[in-house]
Amino acid sequence: AQKVTQAQTEISVVEKEDVTLDCVYETRDTTYYLFWYKQPPSGELVFLIRRNSFDEQNEISGRYSWNFQKSTSSFNFTITASQVVDSAVYFCALRASNTGKLIFGQGTTLQVKP
Amino acid sequence: DAGVIQSPRHEVTEMGQEVTLRCKPISGHDYLFWYRQTMMRGLELLIYFNNNVPIDDSGMPEDRFSAKMPNASFSTLKIQPSEPRDSAVYFCASSLVTGNTEAFFGQGTRLTVV
Repeated sequence: AQKVTQAQTEISVVEKEDVTLDCVYETRDTTYYLFWYKQPPSGELVFLIRRNSFDEQNEISGRYSWNFQKSTSSFNFTITASQVVDSAVYFCALRASNTGKLIFGQGTTLQVKP
Repeated sequence: DAGVIQSPRHEVTEMGQEVTLRCKPISGHDYLFWYRQTMMRGLELLIYFNNNVPIDDSGMPEDRFSAKMPNASFSTLKIQPSEPRDSAVYFCASSLVTGNTEAFFGQGTRLTVV
C-alpha cells in the first residue's frame, strides 16, 4: 500500500527565514516517483518537482531545494530566504510505477509573515 | 493546449439533488484522476482511469458517487443524491502514461450542498 505523510500541518515563519517541509512515504514498489506541488491562495495546484526512486541526487532550483533519502523514505523540501509569496499549501505526492496511482499527503500550510 | 478544463467552477445545490461535474483532460494524456479536497481530509484520490478504463475506485466514498469516462476527452463525476458533507473542491487531473510524468490539474469545482 502507498502512503504519504506530511506531519507538519502548519508552519509559520518570518520572511527571510529558511524553512523545511517534511515528507515521509511508504511503498512496496521498487520503482516509484515523488512530487511536490504548491497550492497558493488562489487554489490551483502547481507542479514544482519530480524525482525518480533510482535518482537520489538532491536538487536545487533558485531558493528551492529538495533532499531525497531512500534510506529514510523521505523527500524533504527546503525554501531558503522565504518570501511572503511562498505562503501556500505544499503537497508531497507519490506515484506507483506499475499502476500509475498518484496519492498525496495531507499538505503543509506555510505562512510567511513580512 | 488549454490545460485540464473543469466545469462548472462553482456549483451550489440543494441536498438530495443530483450533481454532475465535468472534466476535459489534456489531449493525448492517458491517465485521468478525480480528487476531492476538504480541510479535514486533504486531497483524496477518488478514482482514476487509464485509457478510459477505471483502474481504482477504492476512494469513492459511497454508492452515491459514480464516475465515467466515455472517451479520451471527457469524464464526469456524479453525485446522486448529494448531501451537505459532499461540499468540497473537486479536482480533475491528467497525465501521460507512466509515472515519470507529473499530473496537470484543472482549476477545480467548488461544490456547496445546502
